[in-house]
Amino acid sequence: NAGVTQTPKFQVLKTGQSMTLQCAQDMNHNSMYWYRQDPGMGLRLIYYSASEGTTDKGEVPNGYNVSRLNKREFSLRLESAAPSQTSVYFCASSPRDRSYNEQFFGPGTRLTVL
Amino acid sequence: AQSVTQLDSQVPVFEEAPVELRCNYSSSVSVYLFWYVQYPNQGLQLLLKYLSGSTLVESINGFEAEFNKSQTSFHLRKPSVHISDTAEYFCAVTKGGSYIPTFGRGTSLIVHP
Repeated sequence: NAGVTQTPKFQVLKTGQSMTLQCAQDMNHNSMYWYRQDPGMGLRLIYYSASEGTTDKGEVPNGYNVSRLNKREFSLRLESAAPSQTSVYFCASSPRDRSYNEQFFGPGTRLTVL
Repeated sequence: AQSVTQLDSQVPVFEEAPVELRCNYSSSVSVYLFWYVQYPNQGLQLLLKYLSGSTLVESINGFEAEFNKSQTSFHLRKPSVHISDTAEYFCAVTKGGSYIPTFGRGTSLIVHP
């Protein structure tokens, strides 16, 4: 099993450009999450999908949109990138059959917006 | 709202010395507690978790954490660290009935030879 995979690993954008970060999991998990990690800020939840067909805002959703394409895939879209969105983005998944389930993380996407 | 405080942003220590990484949380209701580790340029992975029962939990690589309900703490300890333990460590808390964890800001453990 590959676990949680993310593409691309690195990306450089210019202000105003758009892009989609892809995430897929092969563990048959119900829930998927997008976080951003910034120095000194820890992990902040952008959006999550509790189950296929549903998505909800997290702590920092502004400037982002998501799509839960199917049970396996959860994408994050930046419609008009801004320098403040320079960050490392992590996708995670969780079974969601119990609230004490741990999360499984992908390797991350390092995004720089110039 | 739930909050998680990791009191030290950086902890430098020499190899083979003991270490404690501190974590406090705010909720007084039932919670599930986690420590995750992030090695350089990688994603987070679970180190250990407390669900119920014995308040002392251990990982396979020598870390342990103790749940202290009265002090709302879940500090991580290791009696003798190795260079390979150099990483970022995150404490996380999930409130019973919620599926969204709250993460602390992380503690960078730096092990010097």
